[in-house]
Amino acid sequence: AQKITQTQPGMFVQEKEAVTLDCTYDTSDQSYGLFWYKQPSSGEMIFLIYQGSYDEQNATEGRYSLNFQKARKSANLVISASQLGDSAMYFCAMIFSNAGGTSYGKLTFGQGTILTVHP
Amino acid sequence: EAQVTQNPRYLITVTGKKLTVTCSQNMNHEYMSWYRQDPGLGLRQIYYSMNVEVTDKGDVPEGYKVSRKEKRNFPLILESPSPNQTSLYFCASSTNRIPTDTQYFGPGTRLTVL
Repeated sequence: AQKITQTQPGMFVQEKEAVTLDCTYDTSDQSYGLFWYKQPSSGEMIFLIYQGSYDEQNATEGRYSLNFQKARKSANLVISASQLGDSAMYFCAMIFSNAGGTSYGKLTFGQGTILTVHP
Repeated sequence: EAQVTQNPRYLITVTGKKLTVTCSQNMNHEYMSWYRQDPGLGLRQIYYSMNVEVTDKGDVPEGYKVSRKEKRNFPLILESPSPNQTSLYFCASSTNRIPTDTQYFGPGTRLTVL
């Protein structure tokens, strides 16, 4: 069974500094995808970044980058130059697929990390 | 605009009174899913559907029903709601293909069962 662990219930960062949110996963599947979602206080789930298990390069999307270490089964999110609007809950999630690349469509989520950005 | 819509956004009801939360997507996605979010537990999948007339249980299906008669709609039915179903519910859809299998989430439905 797949499992996602986020060990940091809460994180604090100073505005304009970088912050790393930890995520480790456990799966025996070879083909899977890793996501990060942001959930602001308003409640919606906002997709941030995706990393496929066969991608050799770390994914980047603007100020977000995913530090993917496959051997360690970790997929940490790095937010550079933090902004006050980055204060939110952040979820790491995983999806797995069969050998043909078709996903089963089920996302397994971690417990989340609350990020607070101080001015 | 590509989106997933849910209705209602907020609902307060009483134990045992049947309710339906609707979900609709306009992206022609094959895959749709329902999640519930509870503090400290993240999001847990309730049911999912790989395509029309194809549904399957997720991690926490007890007390819920779903149907997928049309590709765009995936309603969540609580036949006899109980207080432990008080939660924030999300509907999501995706193309069901990796590596572009981003799930698009609806805005959420906050349900309180008294």
